[in-house]
Amino acid sequence: DTGVSQNPRHKITKRGQNVTFRCDPISEHNRLYWYRQTLGQGPEFLTYFQNEAQLEKSRLLSDRFSAERPKGSFSTLEIQRTEQGDSAMYLCASSPGGEGSSPQHFGDGTRLSIL
Amino acid sequence: AQSVTQLDSQVPVFEEAPVELRCNYSSSVSVYLFWYVQYPNQGLQLLLKYLSGSTLVESINGFEAEFNKSQTSFHLRKPSVHISDTAEYFCAVSGGMDSSYKLIFGSGTRLLVRP
Repeated sequence: DTGVSQNPRHKITKRGQNVTFRCDPISEHNRLYWYRQTLGQGPEFLTYFQNEAQLEKSRLLSDRFSAERPKGSFSTLEIQRTEQGDSAMYLCASSPGGEGSSPQHFGDGTRLSIL
Repeated sequence: AQSVTQLDSQVPVFEEAPVELRCNYSSSVSVYLFWYVQYPNQGLQLLLKYLSGSTLVESINGFEAEFNKSQTSFHLRKPSVHISDTAEYFCAVSGGMDSSYKLIFGSGTRLLVRP
């Protein structure tokens, strides 16, 4: 168990640029989640994958955001035409599948700063 | 819809004193409850969880929380805190009718332990 890995840890970019983050979940974890955390707040749910299928998206996930999980392993989160309000910590979490709620394991996040 | 309220944004306490971090949730159906801890520039680490069974749950580092269904609360307690317990603590809820088991977080409580 090597834990959830996220890359990069920090990303600084100019407004209007596109950015992509990567998440490698714990191996054999079927469920993968993306959350966004702004300063002084708790994480907010963005989207959820069960294997390779994206089963739920939050209203926070505007059409500038897209997430994928090809082959049901790693996942990417892309933000197009970034805006100042996109500045936040983006957290990825994974958990085993099956019935019921298993504790989610979080990565250390990617901190995005928009200049 | 589910929600979580953490009334105290910051709790200052002296080392070796007891502490209670309050968490109340709102849900019309059975839920799963969690406490996570976050250190600066890191992701969230699971502290303890209530899934079913005994309403009192304990962690390996001395924290405990009690699920109170009638008061819809899941307060976190520790009888004697250490400097190293200084961190942000988040209460979260999942489950009910939500098949994704995404986590709904409170806004967090910063525990500040002073010598």
